[in-house]
Amino acid sequence: NAGVTQTPKFQVLKTGQSMTLQCAQDMNHEYMSWYRQDPGMGLRLIHYSVGAGITDQGEVPNGYNVSRSTTEDFPLRLLSAAPSQTSVYFCASSYSRKNYGYTFGSGTRLTVV
Amino acid sequence: KQEVTQIPAALSVPEGENLVLNCSFTDSAIYNLQWFRQDPGKGLTSLLLIQSSQREQTSGRLNASLDKSSGRSTLYIAASQPGDSATYLCAETGGSNYKLTFGKGTLLTVNP
Repeated sequence: NAGVTQTPKFQVLKTGQSMTLQCAQDMNHEYMSWYRQDPGMGLRLIHYSVGAGITDQGEVPNGYNVSRSTTEDFPLRLLSAAPSQTSVYFCASSYSRKNYGYTFGSGTRLTVV
Repeated sequence: KQEVTQIPAALSVPEGENLVLNCSFTDSAIYNLQWFRQDPGKGLTSLLLIQSSQREQTSGRLNASLDKSSGRSTLYIAASQPGDSATYLCAETGGSNYKLTFGKGTLLTVNP
C-alpha cells in the first residue's frame, strides 16, 4: 500500500514552460486535492476533485489545470510557468472528507526561473 | 470564511518537558480536526484525527482535544524528545464543501 505518490520530487522550469505534476493514490479514495505551500502563507488549496470526472477550483486556481479521468490519478498541469508558481506542491486524498482524515504525498518542490 | 490560527508560531523547550500546542478555528460547523507533523523538506504526516462528535484522541505520547463551543483544539505532547522537533499543523474540515483549512503551524524545537 503506497498511499499517495507524487512525481517528480524536484523540478526546475523556465518561465513559459509547461509541465504536469503527477499524483496517484491506491487507497480507493474519492476525494483528491492539490495544495501549494509557501513561506508565511501556509498551505492553500489549488484544485480539488470529489470523484472521477468532477473537479472544482480552490483558493488559488489561476495558472493551473486539473482533470480526473480515473479514481487513482489527479494530475496538476502548469500551462505556462511563472516565477510566482515557485512553491512546494502537495497532493492529498481522503476516503470521505466529512468523517475521515487526509493522507498527503511527499511533495514536489518546483522552481521557476 | 474559515480561519485557523496557531499560537505560538515557534516554541523551544528542553527535553523531557510536557507541552501544549494550541489551535483555534472560526468554523462553528466543523466536521473534524486533524493534526499533522511536517519535518523540514518533507511531506505532512497525520498524527491524530478528532471527529466533531469526539472530545479527544490519544496516540502514544500525544493527546489531542477538541472543544467546538470555544473553537479550540490542543495537542499535548508528553515527555518531549529531540525527535519531536518539527512543525505541527492543525487543519479543520468544515464549510459547505468540506474544505480543509490549515493553520500556519507551530515550529517546535526540543533541546537535548
